Amino acid sequence: RKEVEQDPGPFNVPEGATVAFNCTYSNSASQSFFWYRQDCRKEPKLLMSVYSSGNEDGRFTAQLNRASQYISLLIRDSKLSDSATYLCVVKETASGTYKYIFGTGTRLKVLA
Amino acid sequence: DGGITQSPKYLFRKEGQNVTLSCEQNLNHDAMYWYRQDPGQGLRLIYYSQIVNDFQKGDIAEGYSVSREKKESFPLTVTSAQKNPTAFYLCASSIYAGQTGELFFGEGSRLTVL
Repeated sequence: RKEVEQDPGPFNVPEGATVAFNCTYSNSASQSFFWYRQDCRKEPKLLMSVYSSGNEDGRFTAQLNRASQYISLLIRDSKLSDSATYLCVVKETASGTYKYIFGTGTRLKVLA
Repeated sequence: DGGITQSPKYLFRKEGQNVTLSCEQNLNHDAMYWYRQDPGQGLRLIYYSQIVNDFQKGDIAEGYSVSREKKESFPLTVTSAQKNPTAFYLCASSIYAGQTGELFFGEGSRLTVL
C-alpha cells in the first residue's frame, strides 16, 4: 500500500462547479498535512496547511479525519485558473527524523 | 527577497558524466531536501538534511550524492551510476525539523541525458 494515495484524475469540471479531492495516508503517527498546487512543468506551491479542526481559505476548504486517515480538499466556484495538479503531502517521523511524503497528485481541468 | 535558488535550470549531460545541481537558500531554514519528479509521477525523495554536516538517504538515493557543509547550501551530484537520470529535480527547505512547517521549493532543474 502506498504511504499517501490520491486519485490521479483527471477531474474535468465546468467553471463554477464544486469539486472535492480525497487523499489517504497509511502512517497513523503522521503529524502535519498539506495541500500543494503544481502547474505544468513548475515547482509545487503551498495551497494550504490542513488543521485538525478543518480550515478554509476563500474558495478552498481542507479537512482532516485522523480516525479514517484521510484528508480532503474542496474547491467551490471553480475558476479556469484552478486547473493544475493538486498534491497531498504528509509530514511524518522516521527514526527521529522528519520526512515529507507526497501523493502522486490529482489533475484538475476546469472547462469554460 | 528570501527564497531557494536552483541552478542550472536546464542541463544536458552525456552518458557517463557526473553533474552537480546547485541549491542555495536564504530563508535560514534548517532542513533541506532533494526530490526527483518524472513525467506524470509524484515527487520521490532522494536525500535530506536536517542539520549542517549531516544528511540521510531518501527512497531513491542510489546513484546520487550530496553534501551539507553550510546551512544555506545543499548541492546534489548525479553520478554516472544513476541509470536513468533524466528528470525534473526539485530542492526544498523547511524552517525546522519540528512538527509543523511547510516545504518551500526552488524552481527546479531539468536534467536531460543525451
